[in-house]
Amino acid sequence: DAGITQSPRHKVTETGTPVTLRCHQTENHRYMYWYRQDPGHGLRLIHYSYGVKDTDKGEVSDGYSVSRSKTEDFLLTLESATSSQTSVYFCAISGQGTLGGYTFGSGTRLTVV
Amino acid sequence: SQELEQSPQSLIVQEGKNLTINCTSSKTLYGLYWYKQKYGEGLIFLMMLQKGGEEKSHEKITAKLDEKKQQSSLHITASQPSHAGIYLCGADKGSGNTGKLIFGQGTTLQVKP
Repeated sequence: DAGITQSPRHKVTETGTPVTLRCHQTENHRYMYWYRQDPGHGLRLIHYSYGVKDTDKGEVSDGYSVSRSKTEDFLLTLESATSSQTSVYFCAISGQGTLGGYTFGSGTRLTVV
Repeated sequence: SQELEQSPQSLIVQEGKNLTINCTSSKTLYGLYWYKQKYGEGLIFLMMLQKGGEEKSHEKITAKLDEKKQQSSLHITASQPSHAGIYLCGADKGSGNTGKLIFGQGTTLQVKP
């Protein structure tokens, strides 16, 4: 597709365990984003990055951390997964911030039991 | 902070009927994006509107941004089952290119054959 892949696509994990989701892009875009999608809430921004090692919090960042050591990879970590973090997680990339919109990955469905 | 409100939240129409989805902002929009999502999949970019009064069309889908740049509508003519899915509007979080998009909660469209 547009050179953005998320892994894994599905994951079931236990409460209290750490979980890392990966977003990989081949577009050399500067901006990368992690969103979660929940019924009734639409998409909410968790964290975003505007360059290597440059990251910032979104509106629902509690319980999540991110890292970006290379342009192509943006990792989202749930330090200690909770049931409230059961969700579908989407990664997005952009070359110009919001100008021109985003390209989204296919999503990771995470279930915390 | 800016919020986007979509209406209706869900819609069921008979194949061949026209329909409209609205997206209203609490602040002036500096770029309004429409995305479509099929169940279990990522978001697909449809259209971007930037200027007051702007209107864009692609196949049977037309999107408009009002003159005040606070409301956008997405109109589908002669709906087909392939139009079914979740439609989301997105806009820059601030008053320019902040690099962050916020989204409405989505409108779920079902098209009955």
